[in-house]
Amino acid sequence: NAGVTQTPKFQVLKTGQSMTLQCAQDMNHNSMYWYRQDPGMGLRLIYYSASEGTTDKGEVPNGYNVSRLNKREFSLRLESAAPSQTSVYFCASSERTGRDEQFFGPGTRLTVL
Amino acid sequence: SQKIEQNSEALNIQEGKTATLTCNYTNYSPAYLQWYRQDPGRGPVFLLLIRENEKEKRKERLKVTFDTTLKQSLFHITASQPADSATYLCALDANNNNDMRFGAGTRLTVKP
Repeated sequence: NAGVTQTPKFQVLKTGQSMTLQCAQDMNHNSMYWYRQDPGMGLRLIYYSASEGTTDKGEVPNGYNVSRLNKREFSLRLESAAPSQTSVYFCASSERTGRDEQFFGPGTRLTVL
Repeated sequence: SQKIEQNSEALNIQEGKTATLTCNYTNYSPAYLQWYRQDPGRGPVFLLLIRENEKEKRKERLKVTFDTTLKQSLFHITASQPADSATYLCALDANNNNDMRFGAGTRLTVKP
């Protein structure tokens, strides 16, 4: 039981490059989330998916897109990376949105030069 | 504006003492409040959830209170140990239970 897995663990991009962060969970959870964590600002929700086939914006969605590929996988895409997107990105999953405990992946440390 | 504030960025206490961490919120009406632990370089790990109609919840050495009048949650670790040193995050449901909002966290250091 791997829980929530994320790839890659580290990534360096140049401004304007694109990339996709991958996330998968093996707990049969309905809901999945993408957060970013910056020093002194805590975790901020980028996008979430309450169930397979649905996605919704969170607190800071600008510059990102997501795909809920199936119940297990939820990817985050940066179409044109900017230095302001330098952050640590966490994927999480839960049985239902809002009320249930969330299980987090190990994070992806992204640097945009 | 909506805010979630956790007391001081850092809290240092002596082993064996009780650590008390505070989470205050403004312009939210959460039905649930959660506490997570985060170690350096790792993702947060869930500790406790408390509902708006519960005053207190306990789990081993952990205790959480939730006061909807004061708009505050307190998180206590009794008989603290150096292994309890970590950052603790509070989170609450926002926008009709569809997403969670997190505080910035309090870094707790327990000294032997």
